[in-house]
Amino acid sequence: KAGVTQTPRYLIKTRGQQVTLSCSPISGHRSVSWYQQTPGQGLQFLFEYFSETQRNKGNFPGRFSGRQFSNSRSEMNVSTLELGDSALYLCASSLGTTGNYNEQFFGPGTRLTVL
Amino acid sequence: AQSVSQHNHHVILSEAASLELGCNYSYGGTVNLFWYVQYPGQHLQLLLKYFSGDPLVKGIKGFEAEFIKSKFSFNLRKPSVQWSDTAEYFCAVNAARGYQKVTFGTGTKLQVIP
Repeated sequence: KAGVTQTPRYLIKTRGQQVTLSCSPISGHRSVSWYQQTPGQGLQFLFEYFSETQRNKGNFPGRFSGRQFSNSRSEMNVSTLELGDSALYLCASSLGTTGNYNEQFFGPGTRLTVL
Repeated sequence: AQSVSQHNHHVILSEAASLELGCNYSYGGTVNLFWYVQYPGQHLQLLLKYFSGDPLVKGIKGFEAEFIKSKFSFNLRKPSVQWSDTAEYFCAVNAARGYQKVTFGTGTKLQVIP
């Protein structure tokens, strides 16, 4: 069974631009969560989607948004990029929602650099 | 709100030494607990998890963790580390009900010296 895939793997953008990241979960998984990973901060939760609905949201500004499609694939968008948005963005999928005894499987991440 | 503390940010051990990484969480209800590992250049992968039952959990590669509810702790242990255990280790927790986000600790970098 194929794992979680994320595209693109690397991105370089400039301040003020916007970016869209994509995540394809493991086949059959219906929940997708997004995290921002930076050195010293660990993983910061962005949001979780299940059945095309956002089920949970972290403490990030409205510039960060996401969506999930009927095939469970998910996209994350960041508008008006700032230097501080440079990070590794991780996507994780699980069979069901994370509060119901479901473990997450992580993708390789998208490394975003904002210049 | 739940939170996770990993007190050791960077640990250096010689091969064959024993390992214990601390993890404490704050949440008053029933929790799911996880340890993930990130080897250099690789994905985060699950080492072990605790949902319920026996508080001593065994994971992959000889790792184990003990859930002590009274101490809100879920420490990771390995009796004898190898150079290949060099990685960053993350403890994570979420409330075991409904739509609850998973909260991660800031990670512990383990360096094993041959």
